[in-house]
Amino acid sequence: RKEVEQDPGPFNVPEGATVAFNCTYSNSASQSFFWYRQDCRKEPKLLMSVYSSGNEDGRFTAQLNRASQYISLLIRDSKLSDSATYLCVARKDSGGSNYKLTFGKGTLLTVNP
Amino acid sequence: DAGVTQSPTHLIKTRGQQVTLRCSPISGHKSVSWYQQVLGQGPQFIFQYYEKEERGRGNFPDRFSARQFPNYSSELNVNALLLGDSALYLCASSLQLAGYGYTFGSGTRLTVV
Repeated sequence: RKEVEQDPGPFNVPEGATVAFNCTYSNSASQSFFWYRQDCRKEPKLLMSVYSSGNEDGRFTAQLNRASQYISLLIRDSKLSDSATYLCVARKDSGGSNYKLTFGKGTLLTVNP
Repeated sequence: DAGVTQSPTHLIKTRGQQVTLRCSPISGHKSVSWYQQVLGQGPQFIFQYYEKEERGRGNFPDRFSARQFPNYSSELNVNALLLGDSALYLCASSLQLAGYGYTFGSGTRLTVV
């Protein structure tokens, strides 16, 4: 089983739609979580961190449920510019060792006019 | 301020050859990590360096090696290239070992023929 698993997608939605991305992680030692976005043939860019209390940044809302090892990202009122691959990321903060990021495979979102 | 810079941007090598990829982190960032991203997959962790010491290594063969210099720049070396090494190689930097998110460079796209 992969450490981080995401909806396979792809998602095709019209402008203005609400889109939800789901992700699960298998390593209960994972402590930090992030969503990155990656445009075609570009590098991943940090979209937001994910906290148990939930956090919001404009149209984007991220949620973490440690009990079920589940992470989500919600995009409201989607824009054409939101078209990208969304990567769910876990990091095991191993106290003095390394802090590698473990990525999911990514979910491709295309927002259509 | 310059972001994370990687060189070269593109590279074509023949099977069996050796390659060196270079990364300069954001000024002041002491941690550099390397990731490999093959088409259709999320990035996979290769190495993390902090203060010139290797702090972690992913599940890659010994053909892969890296180092970090006193100015915190880093090199990734891959020997005896295989076709399967064709990928986007990403360098990420962070201020501390467990930085708040990592900033990625635009990557080196390696093609092995």
